Amino acid sequence: QQQVRQSPQSLTVWEGETAILNCSYEDSTFDYFPWYWQFPRESPALLIAIRPVSNKKEDGRFTIFFNKREKKLSLHITDSQPGDSATYFCAASRASSGQKLVFGQGTILKVYL
Amino acid sequence: NAGVIQTPRHKVTGKGQEATLWCEPISGHSAVFWYRQTIVQGLEFLTYFRNQAPIDDSGMPKERFSAQMPNQSHSTLKIQSTQPQDSAVYLCASRQPSAETLYFGSGTRLTVL
Repeated sequence: QQQVRQSPQSLTVWEGETAILNCSYEDSTFDYFPWYWQFPRESPALLIAIRPVSNKKEDGRFTIFFNKREKKLSLHITDSQPGDSATYFCAASRASSGQKLVFGQGTILKVYL
Repeated sequence: NAGVIQTPRHKVTGKGQEATLWCEPISGHSAVFWYRQTIVQGLEFLTYFRNQAPIDDSGMPKERFSAQMPNQSHSTLKIQSTQPQDSAVYLCASRQPSAETLYFGSGTRLTVL
């Protein structure tokens, strides 16, 4: 069963627009939610992360909005740039499993000039 | 700091042959993870070690896959009797004790003909 789900599967935006990537999860015991991004022919790397004690985490143009009640989170990328084009993975983990990350299927983002 | 080192970068095997993949985690990182990435399944957890001890191998196909960490500076993933469906990018990742950020290696692309 897919414990972490992402939508859409792919997303295209124009430069300067806001991209919104969605993520939902099943297990309420998850206590850490990182987003990783992966550029073509590279490995995933941490972008930004949030814990359920917060409902928002901001880092420059990247913001995570978190809704614990609905078990949903979203990644907003404002003023999107062509260099943001990548696959974005939402992940989740819990301390009781050694923070083993469970990844969603990913959203492929393309930002056009 | 050279990051997580994985060798070989590419490996091609014939059906039924054995494949051994190597990983050198970042020095000082006591947690080592193996993931498999395919287009269809995405990023799948395979197994994880902490302080060289196997902690969780719940993602490992039991019959043909095995992993070891004989010392703190390297881990191996062995696949016996490789099958075409084993074709994937195998990613090794490590993190510091009590830290949350996973650092991924460049991966080994395994192709089983």
